[in-house]
Amino acid sequence: QVQLQESGPGLVKPSQTLSLTCTVSGGSISSATYYWSWIRQPAGKGLEWIGRIHPGGSTNYNPSLKSRVTISVDTSKNEFSLKLSSVTAADTAMYYCARVRLDYRLFDSWGQGTLVTVSS
Amino acid sequence: DIQMTQSPSSLSASVGDRVTITCRASLSISTYLNWYQQKPEKAPKLLIYAASTLQSGVPSRFTGSGSGTDFTLTISSLQPEDFATYYCQQSYSTPWTFGQGTKVEIK
Repeated sequence: QVQLQESGPGLVKPSQTLSLTCTVSGGSISSATYYWSWIRQPAGKGLEWIGRIHPGGSTNYNPSLKSRVTISVDTSKNEFSLKLSSVTAADTAMYYCARVRLDYRLFDSWGQGTLVTVSS
Repeated sequence: DIQMTQSPSSLSASVGDRVTITCRASLSISTYLNWYQQKPEKAPKLLIYAASTLQSGVPSRFTGSGSGTDFTLTISSLQPEDFATYYCQQSYSTPWTFGQGTKVEIK
């Protein structure tokens, strides 16, 4: 069974770049039947989709974040990454990585999440 | 963006109750509607996809229905482990969007 694990700094200063990595185990990130995605959730609030990447490299981002987001994939390491630039306190949230099944575009496997706080 | 609106935002129910949660899309999404359950401090878990298909391993007391703009998630007999927050999500078009959540609490 596939497992996903987020990693990265838990504290980022305002105006800097948030960088997270999601390591995939128990399955290949190169499978053509899945996208790989990032989702975030501020404390006590709902879920916001950030963006997705296909193992071939094509990406799609939420327009609300598009100017600041980059998602990339490293198939040799079986991992994908998120970079969010020019962060503010509003970017403080739990960040999840997830696998997306292509047919119905559903999130069928999730990482446990990692809390990122933006503060000086 | 397609807006997803859930109702109610919260509800109180007892073990054994039948519970229904509604999700409405701002435009027609066919059956590209998924439901997730989230417990405190945990990642969401997929329950139902394509509006009515039960994800493998999910108890049959969970059912989904609907198409177009109106969808429902029903729990036929609420169990102690079902107290959680439930989210709908449209996968019809990007940006994929979620409802605001429905918190199911113990009465």
